[in-house]
Amino acid sequence: GAVVSQHPSRVICKSGTSVKIECRSLDFQATTMFWYRQFPKQSLMLMATSNEGSKATYEQGVEKDKFLINHASLTLSTLTVTSAHPEDSSFYICSAKQGRQGDNANYGYTFGSGTRLTVV
Amino acid sequence: GQNIDQPTEMTATEGAIVQINCTYQTSGFNGLFWYQQHAGEAPTFLSYNVLDGLEEKGRFSSFLSRSKGYSYLLLKELQMKDSASYLCAVRLSNDYKLSFGAGTTVTVRA
Repeated sequence: GAVVSQHPSRVICKSGTSVKIECRSLDFQATTMFWYRQFPKQSLMLMATSNEGSKATYEQGVEKDKFLINHASLTLSTLTVTSAHPEDSSFYICSAKQGRQGDNANYGYTFGSGTRLTVV
Repeated sequence: GQNIDQPTEMTATEGAIVQINCTYQTSGFNGLFWYQQHAGEAPTFLSYNVLDGLEEKGRFSSFLSRSKGYSYLLLKELQMKDSASYLCAVRLSNDYKLSFGAGTTVTVRA
């Protein structure tokens, strides 16, 4: 079945540094990648949508200069948290969408395993 | 904004049945998903409804009424491993974005 590899699974960084999170679709082409963040005991909040080869579309209130998204190929999308601060500590999850929704048992959405970011 | 409401917490006994309700008012509708999420892990797909009616898949069933903006997830023969958060998500329209509810934490007791 469709698999999205996300790493790192956990990262601790110092305040002011940048962190890159990668999501790779292993056996399919991800035409669209969604990036979410999740605070403890809360739901997934969509941050941005990226399509291969074009600029990401950010949701209202999400700083595009702080959360840099690159979707350079159909199998790789990256999220870089720049100049991280403690309030950026969260669980970040990617979700890849295949070209046609019925192509896999997940009806087109495959989630990565998530990245726990802690900024100290 | 999108409104997707589900109860915060539910508790049930092992072997019992639990029904998790989800009501939605969204700018568009192109299907409703249910996901299971264990703490610190990514969501796992459970079910998808786009037409009215009941979809059954083993111990899990999901129901949708588009006219009422309502869905439920039914978990039967509860097992301890079913203790998790259950997320209701609406696909808004052709842009394929998913809007998630806050999740319902289900605790299964022996």
